[in-house]
Amino acid sequence: GQQVMQIPQYQHVQEGEDFTTYCNSSTTLSNIQWYKQRPGGHPVFLIQLVKSGEVKKQKRLTFQFGEAKKNSSLHITATQTTDVGTYFCAGNDYKLSFGAGTTVTVRA
Amino acid sequence: DAGVTQSPTHLIKTRGQHVTLRCSPISGHKSVSWYQQVLGQGPQFIFQYYEKEERGRGNFPDRFSARQFPNYSSELNVNALLLGDSALYLCASSLSNTHVTNYGYTFGSGTRLTVV
Repeated sequence: GQQVMQIPQYQHVQEGEDFTTYCNSSTTLSNIQWYKQRPGGHPVFLIQLVKSGEVKKQKRLTFQFGEAKKNSSLHITATQTTDVGTYFCAGNDYKLSFGAGTTVTVRA
Repeated sequence: DAGVTQSPTHLIKTRGQHVTLRCSPISGHKSVSWYQQVLGQGPQFIFQYYEKEERGRGNFPDRFSARQFPNYSSELNVNALLLGDSALYLCASSLSNTHVTNYGYTFGSGTRLTVV
């Protein structure tokens, strides 16, 4: 079955710095979704990428889908304390196959 | 509009008991999915229902079952509870059951199940 891996597992970031989290799939993905889960919360949908090489931006967040549709990345610029949480990528083929997530903490 | 609502929010059960978790999707959403999230891991797919029919099942034992009602709400049932069933159980609803949707899935706040 579809396996999605995310690195790094943990990301400790100084406030104001940039960071990137990566997602890799063992199989070609139809599309990929990204979710954010705050501590003690539930996953909240951020974005879906469908096309090969697609790039989408949401304010300080930039999402990319690889040309082969087997990998994706999330880049956050000028990290803020509100960015704290776990970011999950999920392959979407009627069910979501989640990676283990990247847990982000921010040093003020 | 209310979001996805789940009940109860917390539950403590003893090994061997049975549990029923409930989910009401967003109004107009016909697809409901269930996920299990163990602490420190990503959610794992259990079931998807669309128009009251099971459309997908994850790699979970037969102790897990679910159904969807005519009003699109759903129940997840787990029999013969094991300690390892302790987890956050999430319900997610979406407009469509097809895999290409721009709307994403809307998750409820979950039911925290503890088996002792």
